[in-house]
Amino acid sequence: DQQVKQNSPSLSVQEGRISILNCDYTNSMFDYFLWYKKYPAEGPTFLISISSIKDKNEDGRFTVFLNKSAKHLSLHIVPSQPGDSAVYFCAATGANSKLTFGKGITLSVRP
Amino acid sequence: NAGVTQTPKFRVLKTGQSMTLLCAQDMNHEYMYWYRQDPGMGLRLIHYSVGEGTTAKGEVPDGYNVSRLKKQNFLLGLESAAPSQTSVYFCASSYPSSMGDRFIDEQYFGPGTRLTVT
Repeated sequence: DQQVKQNSPSLSVQEGRISILNCDYTNSMFDYFLWYKKYPAEGPTFLISISSIKDKNEDGRFTVFLNKSAKHLSLHIVPSQPGDSAVYFCAATGANSKLTFGKGITLSVRP
Repeated sequence: NAGVTQTPKFRVLKTGQSMTLLCAQDMNHEYMYWYRQDPGMGLRLIHYSVGEGTTAKGEVPDGYNVSRLKKQNFLLGLESAAPSQTSVYFCASSYPSSMGDRFIDEQYFGPGTRLTVT
């Protein structure tokens, strides 16, 4: 039973354009969401997060949107850069504070 | 400040052999975690610890044991390795911060250990 779903395994975007990475969740008890970025042969690194009391959080080129009624969140990267090419994991947590991760999506930004 | 380090980086085991993976963190974090990452599976929690001397099971604990004798170290043991344990293992640590009436857990990951069991 996959509680955090990243249904698209990969995304390819032209440099300078917007990248939109999607994530859906099924557990209504999740109330905090995080995005992690992972380069090959490295561990994941925290990118941005959002609490369920907000619908948007912005940090530089990265913005996360949360639609609670649809149980959907998305990560927008504008403008996309070749260095953004990596695997992006969506994660969610509830009262037990343990993270549940999605399968990840591989973003490729073409120069 | 090295953050989270893992030893070894790579290891090949034969079925039935045992080994211990070491995780160390120098951030004085209370919480530590062991995950495994398999192709198409994301990160799955094996065991975790909320403080020195305490451990708890995660989502996929079978075949693994852990110990947290010192706050900065978290060991993951495989007593009798099986091919199904071929994976990349990540250690993470965190110091949960409060958000209202509960804690938010922003985790810092090590670089991973690639284990192959033949």
